[in-house]
Amino acid sequence: DAEITQSPRHKITETGRQVTLACHQTWNHNNMFWYRQDLGHGLRLIHYSYGVQDTNKGEVSDGYSVSRSNTEDLPLTLESAASSQTSVYFCASSDVSGLLGDTQYFGPGTRLTVL
Amino acid sequence: AQKVTQAQTEISVVEKEDVTLDCVYETRDTTYYLFWYKQPPSGELVFLIRRNSFDEQNEISGRYSWNFQKSTSSFNFTITASQVVDSAVYFCALSGRGNQAGTALIFGKGTTLSVSS
Repeated sequence: DAEITQSPRHKITETGRQVTLACHQTWNHNNMFWYRQDLGHGLRLIHYSYGVQDTNKGEVSDGYSVSRSNTEDLPLTLESAASSQTSVYFCASSDVSGLLGDTQYFGPGTRLTVL
Repeated sequence: AQKVTQAQTEISVVEKEDVTLDCVYETRDTTYYLFWYKQPPSGELVFLIRRNSFDEQNEISGRYSWNFQKSTSSFNFTITASQVVDSAVYFCALSGRGNQAGTALIFGKGTTLSVSS
């Protein structure tokens, strides 16, 4: 079955380190998104991509970067981890490039702790 | 600006009670989509329903029903005869052309539903 996976599922790192969270989907979806979930804030958009070589900033993109070299993967990199980036990170994908209202399906999440 | 408000932070009910989760949205778009997602204690996000702004028909799926009213900008979710397995955080979300982040979802802060036996 097609799916969307995230790795690692849990990560503990230290302030200042570079961290990369992986997101891989086998649906061949064009759109991929990264959100972070924090208590009291719901989910907020970090970055998104409508296709290979396309990346865009979301609401809370400072300190994060993404790259899209193929359809299946959208890795999220924290350039220099900060304690404020302790959060649960969700990757999502949807089918048609840039189609409004296309349902997004979410990965299982990665819990990141920055000490 | 687009916004989703879930005013109920936490709701506690006893099994078999009916419960309604409120969702109020703000948008200037005429074309937009509304979603509900469920996040059980295991943490994953499960898609429940999608509605577009041109379809105000209410929808029922088993014990779940959704009431979409454009006049009050609301998209409320009712669980009939709640069960312990319904305990979860429920998120309402909006996607509209006026969103600077394209087709990304704007989420409410979620409502935590606890159903006790």
